[in-house]
Amino acid sequence: GAVVSQHPSWVICKSGTSVKIECRSLDFQATTMFWYRQFPKQSLMLMATSNEGSKATYEQGVEKDKFLINHASLTLSTLTVTSAHPEDSSFYICSAFSGQGRETQYFGPGTRLLVL
Amino acid sequence: EDKVVQSPLSLVVHEGDTVTLNCSYEVTNFRSLLWYKQEKKAPTFLFMLTSSGIEKKSGRLSSILDKKELFSILNITATQTGDSAVYLCAVEGTYKYIFGTGTRLKVLA
Repeated sequence: GAVVSQHPSWVICKSGTSVKIECRSLDFQATTMFWYRQFPKQSLMLMATSNEGSKATYEQGVEKDKFLINHASLTLSTLTVTSAHPEDSSFYICSAFSGQGRETQYFGPGTRLLVL
Repeated sequence: EDKVVQSPLSLVVHEGDTVTLNCSYEVTNFRSLLWYKQEKKAPTFLFMLTSSGIEKKSGRLSSILDKKELFSILNITATQTGDSAVYLCAVEGTYKYIFGTGTRLKVLA
């Protein structure tokens, strides 16, 4: 069945560095992918909608210059956290719908980011 | 202001019980309502509802949407310990998804 993968699963980095997270759809093409963030014991928060071949749509309060999204192909979207700080430490999850009718939404396994 | 409210916040039941989880919403330009199950990691998609009154079913889980009263319920019958999770409801409006805070379900053996 359709699967979404994320890489890496875990990242620990120093404050000020940039971190890139990849999201791939493995058995299907995804013109749209979604990036979420989840802090401990809180609900998912949609950060942005990534559109293949065009600019991402960011949710209110999400800094587009800090969270760079690139969706260069129908199977790959990347989220780059630039100049990461400890408050960016979170669980980042991507997802995509399969099928024209968006029958099922598949989530990646998530990337846990810890910024020291 | 757009919002999604889930209730109860937390629920503890015994195996075999039936549970009903609630999700009410106020969203501009409603497109769909989605239910997810989240255990320790990323959520698992359960249902997408777009039309009122049509029940969606998957095994012991079922869900229905009422667009007039702006709510949805998720039913789980004959609960099992493996159903223990946080159940999230999200509503899609124009260009955005809003998630509820989730209902934490614990099923005791």
